[in-house]
Amino acid sequence: NAGVMQNPRHLVRRRGQEARLRCSPMKGHSHVYWYRQLPEEGLKFMVYLQKENIIDESGMPKERFSAEFPKEGPSILRIQQVVRGDSAAYFCASSPGLVTSSYEQYFGPGTRLTVT
Amino acid sequence: KNEVEQSPQNLTAQEGEFITINCSYSVGISALHWLQQHPGGGIVSLFMLSSGKKKHGRLIATINIQEKHSSLHITASHPRDSAVYICAVPPLMNRDDKIIFGKGTRLHILP
Repeated sequence: NAGVMQNPRHLVRRRGQEARLRCSPMKGHSHVYWYRQLPEEGLKFMVYLQKENIIDESGMPKERFSAEFPKEGPSILRIQQVVRGDSAAYFCASSPGLVTSSYEQYFGPGTRLTVT
Repeated sequence: KNEVEQSPQNLTAQEGEFITINCSYSVGISALHWLQQHPGGGIVSLFMLSSGKKKHGRLIATINIQEKHSSLHITASHPRDSAVYICAVPPLMNRDDKIIFGKGTRLHILP
């Protein structure tokens, strides 16, 4: 059973371009979470999705950021018109159930976005 | 005040020393997670515990739900234990399934 997969591992974008980050959860996991880690800072929650539904996006910036988890295929975190402040590591985690019900999360290796 | 506080923020120790990292939280929880972030950035879940103590190899995690405190111990520390250790809690009574992370403890074990 492969772990959580994220790609690309490293992504370089110029200011104004779009960044698309992909996350394939572990087999059998229907809950996907995205986190952002800014340089020298801790992890921060961004969004929680289940298949075809955004459950909580309270951690997402209101503009330029969007996320989806379609019925088929990976979850996508999309950042439009990237700015330098978007440079960070973006981690995806998956879980078979609610973490508030004590299901464990499994983390992907992260995508390091650099905006030049 | 942060809902999850870790101490110390940074810790340097000699190989072989016994290490303790502390986590205090202010919210009601059903379980607490300890994560390890390697120097390369990858994150590994070490423990999820809701009571008592868990042990995995040289790592031991304890939690006192009444005191809202958890500790992560490393026995016979080794340079490969050098990493950032993160405490994370999913609050109860939270309609959203959101985890709150501590800022992490950066551990450096000297050979």
